[in-house]
Amino acid sequence: ETGVTQTPRHLVMGMTNKKSLKCEQHLGHNAMYWYKQSAKKPLELMFVYNFKEQTENNSVPSRFSPECPNSSHLFLHLHTLQPEDSALYLCASSPRTENTEAFFGQGTRLTVV
Amino acid sequence: SQQGEEDPQALSIQEGENATMNCSYKTSINNLQWYRQNSGRGLVHLILIRSNEREKHSGRLRVTLDTSKKSSSLLITASRAADTASYFCATHGSSNTGKLIFGQGTTLQVKP
Repeated sequence: ETGVTQTPRHLVMGMTNKKSLKCEQHLGHNAMYWYKQSAKKPLELMFVYNFKEQTENNSVPSRFSPECPNSSHLFLHLHTLQPEDSALYLCASSPRTENTEAFFGQGTRLTVV
Repeated sequence: SQQGEEDPQALSIQEGENATMNCSYKTSINNLQWYRQNSGRGLVHLILIRSNEREKHSGRLRVTLDTSKKSSSLLITASRAADTASYFCATHGSSNTGKLIFGQGTTLQVKP
């Protein structure tokens, strides 16, 4: 266990559904991240939050909507997704954004049908 | 944009042998990190080497960094079947925005 918990672990949703991914960290970190991992592709950084403020949006489509109510929780709201959005979504946290390692959750395996 | 590129993409060795993976990157960095991922799971941080360091050790792991060549290597000595996983390098740029950019990874299989 890395101290970063993601729920659910698996999610199957239709293209018209709305769902949310949740991430919680118990490490007292100030930065949190969403990554997308698709087959045969490198991990893609989606969003960075530092002290609850979004500092990076890596040109992510608006059908992905992040929310960071406090430094311990991060959500990814999903709506009107496409089958190509099926992937492993990984949340991570770190003490700060610079010069430090990231601690990852186990990921949510998302399948869009 | 992809920063790190690992080489080889796949590596298969016998238990007890050493495994070497290489990573190249394109822009200036603050640090370079190596992570491990077991199939379909989250990533686990292995080691971080700063841009002013040339070599770092952690247990059976040895990491080198050559900033002039923009490359790094990860050596796993005396490999075990449990080392079977994917290994990724990741770079932190100099902008300090938290942008940790990953390479495509090397899939290592250690046969017992």
